[in-house]
Amino acid sequence: AQSVTQLGSHVSVSEGALVLLRCNYSSSVPPYLFWYVQYPNQGLQLLLKYTTGATLVKGINGFEAEFKKSETSFHLTKPSAHMSDAAEYFCAVTLFGNEKLTFGTGTRLTIIP
Amino acid sequence: GAVVSQHPSWVICKSGTSVKIECRSLDFQATTMFWYRQFPKQSLMLMATSNEGSKATYEQGVEKDKFLINHASLTLSTLTVTSAHPEDSSFYICSARVASTSTYNEQFFGPGTRLTVL
Repeated sequence: AQSVTQLGSHVSVSEGALVLLRCNYSSSVPPYLFWYVQYPNQGLQLLLKYTTGATLVKGINGFEAEFKKSETSFHLTKPSAHMSDAAEYFCAVTLFGNEKLTFGTGTRLTIIP
Repeated sequence: GAVVSQHPSWVICKSGTSVKIECRSLDFQATTMFWYRQFPKQSLMLMATSNEGSKATYEQGVEKDKFLINHASLTLSTLTVTSAHPEDSSFYICSARVASTSTYNEQFFGPGTRLTVL
């Protein structure tokens, strides 16, 4: 079975600073990995995904993530935080042929003015 | 494209009553829909998977007689919480997926429904 672990339930960064949200996965076969963002009282919006191909994937709103098989990681980064980035971020994993997504526990990102 | 709506977005009901939540794919046909439950400040937990025209598959620990799921068409799935109790209060989110030949069939999420049972 696959799983993801998000390190840090709360992360605070200053506006303009680097955003780094950590996600490690566990899977016996190559995974498909995702980052979603959730604003208060809203559903989930896909930021980016890795399925196959290039290990550095770019998403919306300036976010990117790199799939590192050797480290079983898929950390989310953004060079310069904006106030509008304040939200809950979820890492998720699934496997080829498996329709179910398994979510991490989430990381709440706070931006300090 | 790929918009999923939920109705209602917010509902309060009395204990013992039933509540129906609708999930619609607005601009595509969803062969599969998923229902998730999210407790405050927690992650999403998959409750069930429904395929159009067949019975839903429930995750372990989810009471199928309490959470009735119907996926009667390719654009509509409903979740009915029967005999609701305060512990059923939660944020319910659906997602929809269309089968294709791509390597991964992306799920598109609805905006969620907040249920409060008094």
